[in-house]
Amino acid sequence: GAGVSQSPSNKVTEKGKDVELRCDPISGHTALYWYRQRLGQGLEFLIYFQGNSAPDKSGLPSDRFSAERTGESVSTLTIQRTQQEDSAVYLCASSAFPGGGEPQHFGDGTRLSIL
Amino acid sequence: LAKTTQPISMDSYEGQEVNITCSHNNIATNDYITWYQQFPSQGPRFIIQGYKTKVTNEVASLFIPADRKSSTLSLPRVSLSDTAVYYCLVGGPNSGYSTLTFGKGTMLLVSP
Repeated sequence: GAGVSQSPSNKVTEKGKDVELRCDPISGHTALYWYRQRLGQGLEFLIYFQGNSAPDKSGLPSDRFSAERTGESVSTLTIQRTQQEDSAVYLCASSAFPGGGEPQHFGDGTRLSIL
Repeated sequence: LAKTTQPISMDSYEGQEVNITCSHNNIATNDYITWYQQFPSQGPRFIIQGYKTKVTNEVASLFIPADRKSSTLSLPRVSLSDTAVYYCLVGGPNSGYSTLTFGKGTMLLVSP
């Protein structure tokens, strides 16, 4: 079956604009994660969705960041009034079951560049 | 919070065995140890997972001592295509997701 799909693969925008990033998880996967990876750095947790439970938003860096997920399907990460420090690769992952020990399946990310 | 410590980088040559060790002194009873591989411009890819002793699959082996405070990823006979960043992650059913930290990983460079 298909893996995790993210779109767009690249996004260049001007400072102050809003951007929306999309993630299509593996079908049937109940858990979905968003991460941010700055150049040469590790992955920074942003948000976690599990079924219809309230998401864990503890990693979102500011109120300019928000994310939604409808049921166990597509998720969108929105960044409002983008700043240059938002430039990074945004990675989405899904796992079949909840639990911090469940293997995560990643997309190839959206590379966001803020001019 | 089970934080992990790995070497920042390692160098090897084609055909050699590579062992990357990860320290996780605060691992919880229910935590698993999971290793991921990341190539440039790609998302991390699951390699192997274990709880104790030894786990082997077609790609790698994972050695976990009895105290589980560390683990070693073993890559047999590496090739140039094994050049990548390797992440050690510790977590379990009682771990909060915000505590899952990939860190900077270990950059493995395989030379001819």
